[in-house]
Amino acid sequence: NAGVTQTPKFRVLKTGQSMTLLCAQDMNHEYMYWYRQDPGMGLRLIHYSVGEGTTAKGEVPDGYNVSRLKKQNFLLGLESAAPSQTSVYFCASKDSSGNTIYFGEGSWLTVV
Amino acid sequence: SQKIEQNSEALNIQEGKTATLTCNYTNYSPAYLQWYRQDPGRGPVFLLLIRENEKEKRKERLKVTFDTTLKQSLFHITASQPADSATYLCALDDNYGQNFVFGPGTRLSVLP
Repeated sequence: NAGVTQTPKFRVLKTGQSMTLLCAQDMNHEYMYWYRQDPGMGLRLIHYSVGEGTTAKGEVPDGYNVSRLKKQNFLLGLESAAPSQTSVYFCASKDSSGNTIYFGEGSWLTVV
Repeated sequence: SQKIEQNSEALNIQEGKTATLTCNYTNYSPAYLQWYRQDPGRGPVFLLLIRENEKEKRKERLKVTFDTTLKQSLFHITASQPADSATYLCALDDNYGQNFVFGPGTRLSVLP
């Protein structure tokens, strides 16, 4: 049981480049989340999804887009990367009737 | 404005002592509060959940209290061990359990 898997784990981007982070969960969870974690700021919600085909904005959505075409996958896209998007990104999932959030291992993104 | 605070960014204690971490929140009305552990380079892992109608919850050496009047949760680790060294995050449910808001975390170091 892999749980929540994120790819890639590490990536360096140049300013203005685009990329997509992939999150996959094998627990059949309805809810999926993308957070970013910065020193002193804690985890901040970027976007989330409460089911296949749905997405919603979180606390810090600007500069990011997401898609949930399949229930098990949640993609986070950066259309034009900026140095302010240098961060650690965590994907998470939760069953709609449960309370526990399951996190992936993180994706370290550096924008130069 | 809504805010979640954890008592200190870092806490050092001697092995065998009880560690007490604090989580305070304002302008939220959570139905429950959770505590997570995060090790360096890893994603957060769920530890305990306490509901608004519960005063205290225990799991092995861990104890959580929840005071909705004070808007505060205390997280205790008794007989602390160096292996307990990690960052501990509190989280509140928001938007009827669809989202979760995390505190900035407290980095606990248990010294041998």
